[in-house]
Order: sequence, then structure tokens, then C-alpha cells
Amino acid sequence: AQSVTQLGSHVSVSEGALVLLRCNYSSSVPPYLFWYVQYPNQGLQLLLKYTTGATLVKGINGFEAEFKKSETSFHLTKPSAHMSDAAEYFCAVTADNYGQNFVFGPGTRLSVLP
Amino acid sequence: NAGVTQTPKFQVLKTGQSMTLQCAQDMNHEYMSWYRQDPGMGLRLIHYSVGAGITDQGEVPNGYNVSRSTTEDFPLRLLSAAPSQTSVYFCASSTRTGGSPLHFGNGTRLTVT
Repeated sequence: AQSVTQLGSHVSVSEGALVLLRCNYSSSVPPYLFWYVQYPNQGLQLLLKYTTGATLVKGINGFEAEFKKSETSFHLTKPSAHMSDAAEYFCAVTADNYGQNFVFGPGTRLSVLP
Repeated sequence: NAGVTQTPKFQVLKTGQSMTLQCAQDMNHEYMSWYRQDPGMGLRLIHYSVGAGITDQGEVPNGYNVSRSTTEDFPLRLLSAAPSQTSVYFCASSTRTGGSPLHFGNGTRLTVT
């Protein structure tokens, strides 16, 4: 069975500071990994995904994440936070080759302070 | 491009009432699913479908029913609403290909009193 943990239910950073949101997963087979962002009263929007190949993946809005198999991690980073980055972020994993059986982490709420 | 459309956006029910949450997608996705989102618990899978006429249970199916008569539509029925079903419900769809992301609707916020 797969699982996802996200360290820190709430993270606060100052505008312009580095954003680091942590995600660790467990999976018995090579996983597909995703980060989603949810703005208030909206659905989840895909930020980026890792399937195969390059372990550093770039997404929208300047975010990127690195797949580290040895650490079973897929942490999300952004060099400089913007006020508009304030949202909830979800890490998700699936090992299914038919596009299903996603497991989501509990989410991390990011606050950006002026 | 509409993507995944959910209706209604908000709903208040009394305990014991029934209702149907609608979900439609225009991307010709085979896979459709329903999740509920509760604070601190992420998203939990209620039911899913891999094609018209095929449905299956997810992690938290009790109290919910689904059907899939067309590729486009995947309604979720609450048979007899309970306060524990107060939640935000999301419909999502994807192609049946490894690594394909889920595409989400904007959600339905349901309150059961």
C-alpha cells in the first residue's frame, strides 16, 4: 500500500524567501508523484509531476520538485515566495499504470507574509 | 474548455434527505472519481469508474451511490444524508495511462444539519 506524509500542516514564509514544502512517500514499486495547489474555494490544480527520467521537474508558477528515490522524498521548492503563492499544497502518489489509485497527503497550508 | 464541471457549488441538507451531486467532463476521460475533502485528512476516495457501466468502491463508500451511464457523466448520490457527510466533494477525471494527472472540478460544499 502507498502512503504520503507532508511535514508541517502550516508553513509561513516571508515574501521573497525560499519556499520548501516536504513530501515523503512509501511505495513498493516505482511511483508517479504529483504536487497540486488549491486556492480558496477552488479545485486542485496540477503544479508538476514526476513520471520517469529527469528527477528534477519544473512546474508552473516557478515551482520545482526533486524526486529522491533513496530518501523516498519529493519536496517542493520555489526560490522566492510571492503573495499569490498562499494556498494549500497537496502531494500525491500512485504506482498504477492505468491512471488511478491516487493517494493524497494531508496537505500543507502556505502563508506568505509581507 | 470546460474540463470537469460540478453542480451545485453549495448545498445544505437536513439529516435524512437525499440528493445527487452532478459531475460532467468533456475531455473523453475513461477514469472518473469522487473524493471528499475534510480538514487535515487530505482527499479520500469515495467511488470511482474506469468506463461507462463500470463502478467500484474507494476508501469511504458508505452512504454514497454512483452510476456511470455515459463517458461524460458521473453523478454521486447521497441516499440519506448524515451530519458526518458534511464535507467538500470533488470530482476528478483522467486518462487511463500511467502518470496521467487527475483533473479536478471546483467542488461542491455540502452541509448536513
